[in-house]
Amino acid sequence: QVQLVESGGGLVKPGGSLRLSCAASGFTFSDYYMSWIRQAPGKGLEWVSYIGGSDNTIYYADSVKGRFTISRDNAKDSLYLQMNSLRAEDTAVYYCVRAHGDGLSVWFDPWGQGTLVTVSS
Amino acid sequence: DIVMTQSPDSLAVSLGERATISCKSSQSVLYSSNNMNYLAWYQQKPGQPPKLLIHWASTRESGVPDRFSGSGSGTDFTLTISSLQAEDVAVYYCQQYYNTPSMYTFGQGTKLEIK
Repeated sequence: QVQLVESGGGLVKPGGSLRLSCAASGFTFSDYYMSWIRQAPGKGLEWVSYIGGSDNTIYYADSVKGRFTISRDNAKDSLYLQMNSLRAEDTAVYYCVRAHGDGLSVWFDPWGQGTLVTVSS
Repeated sequence: DIVMTQSPDSLAVSLGERATISCKSSQSVLYSSNNMNYLAWYQQKPGQPPKLLIHWASTRESGVPDRFSGSGSGTDFTLTISSLQAEDVAVYYCQQYYNTPSMYTFGQGTKLEIK
């Protein structure tokens, strides 16, 4: 079955860096757009970044642009999120999600279990 | 950016009764060229990631019980649970995918509980 497993979360100081990984299985990874979506503790959902299947089309939310970098390795069926210059407001559970739809008009299914990133001194 | 506003923020419904959640977008998410509404609904149970219920405003995902239905067009949408079951306790989110890729925006969520 389709599975997305995130790793790499943890506690980091403000200004620090962290790299999240997502291992995908159960589907042809290179055929799908992928995204990261985050959820601050007790809050709603915020889309973070999007990457195309094989053309590496990439987009970011304004809140992370210039600080976060999304990438993928189709040979390893893996998605990544490099997070630099982290701020307290980046504290959240980060979900790896597969995107479906028409080009850039996508909805998200399934979602991984998420990995918690805590930015605190 | 399109702002998605859900109402109510929380809702308590008796088992077996109908639950209705509203989602309004600040501008239309109906694409005139294909007459499709670019809206999805998700369910998030406590301690779990969100799960996709509906896309294109009314297309139910495989395996989703038929008591869940989506309706609406343009700027006003509704998620209806026809007969509430205990396992439906969750937070429900709508999401637009019309205004892309600058941002895929979600509603703030509606918490559904048993009365």
